[in-house]
This record gives sequence, structure tokens and C-alpha cells, in this order.
Amino acid sequence: EAGVTQFPSHSVIEKGQTVTLRCDPISGHDNLYWYRRVMGKEIKFLLHFVKESKQDESGMPNNRFLAERTGGTYSTLKVQPAELEDSGVYFCASSQLTGFSYNEQFFGPGTRLTVL
Amino acid sequence: AQKVTQAQTEISVVEKEDVTLDCVYETRDTTYYLFWYKQPPSGELVFLIRRNSFDEQNEISGRYSWNFQKSTSSFNFTITASQVVDSAVYFCALAYGNNRLAFGKGNQVVVIP
Repeated sequence: EAGVTQFPSHSVIEKGQTVTLRCDPISGHDNLYWYRRVMGKEIKFLLHFVKESKQDESGMPNNRFLAERTGGTYSTLKVQPAELEDSGVYFCASSQLTGFSYNEQFFGPGTRLTVL
Repeated sequence: AQKVTQAQTEISVVEKEDVTLDCVYETRDTTYYLFWYKQPPSGELVFLIRRNSFDEQNEISGRYSWNFQKSTSSFNFTITASQVVDSAVYFCALAYGNNRLAFGKGNQVVVIP
């Protein structure tokens, strides 16, 4: 069974440009999460999808970040325009949707974003 | 607010030594779940264990063991007889809300052969 995949693995862009990160969850996982780790800091929650609906986007830093999950399969996270402080590693995770709220999340390898 | 503290940043041990990673958490919830994840050089976080707040039994899985003490809000992780393959970053996390995870900063474990 394929794990969570993320694309690209690395992205280097200049301030003001746009970048789109993609996450493919494990097949059949309706929960999809985005997290971010800025250098030297903790991994922080960004948002949570249940199927195609945003369940919780309280962790999104500002309106330069837009996440979508059309059709409830893969998800994209767009940063427009990118700023220096957006640099970090963006992780995607997925989990099964069951009656139990705290299923383990399966993480992808992350996308390392560098904004120059 | 939910908070997880992993005080040690990098820990180096010689192969076959034991290593203990400390995790202290803060939460106002009476029911909560704690997790440990391992991040090998490949980058993905690998799930190791989940523990709920009502189960204070220690757990052992091979060379890994976990000590959960609710009285001190700690969920410590020990690797016994460390091996080079154990070199990784280990994260402690607390689940809250709709299974959002609050992570500690992680412990970089370096096992020296």
C-alpha cells in the first residue's frame, strides 16, 4: 500500500512568487491534515480536511495560504505571494475516518520550501 | 492551551547504550491522547505509539518502552540497547480538538557505532 506522498520534495522560490504544494493521502483516508515546521520551531498544525470539506483551518497563518481538496482525494496548498517567513517544511498527513477520533496519522516526507 | 515540551535537543549515545527521551505536556482536557513519532532521514514521520489519558500502564515493544505518568504530565520514551538504525528525530505529540497534533520540538538521537 502506498504511503502519503508529497510533491515537490524541495522548492526554492523568490519572495513574491507563488508556489503550490501537493499531497496525495493514503487511498481511502478521508482525513487529511497539513502541518508546517519552521526552522528551530515545533511542527504546527495548519488545517484539516474531512473529505473535500475544511473541518478546521484555525492554524492557517494568513490569507496568503489557500488549501483545496477537490473531490476529496489529493490536496493542494498554495502560497501566494510567498514571504521569507514561509520557509520551512510542510507536512501532509492522512488518517481513516472512523467513529474513533484519534486514529494515528500517517505522514508524508514533507516539502521543504525555501523563500529567498 | 496544549503544549508539549521536549527539553533535550540532541542526544548522542554509543551503540548498545540506553537512551531516554523526556516529554512533558500541558492540557486542560481530562481525556487526551499522546503520541510518539520517529522521523528517519527519509523525512516522513513514522507512528510509534498512541496512549490515552486513562491508561497509565507502561508499554514495551521490543527495545522501545514508554513510561506514562499522569501525576507529572510526562510520557517518556526509552530505547534500550540502542542501534545505529535508531538514529533519527523523535517527536512527542498531544492530540486535541479534531485530532490536531501539538508537537514538541523533537529530540535528535545520534547513535555512534
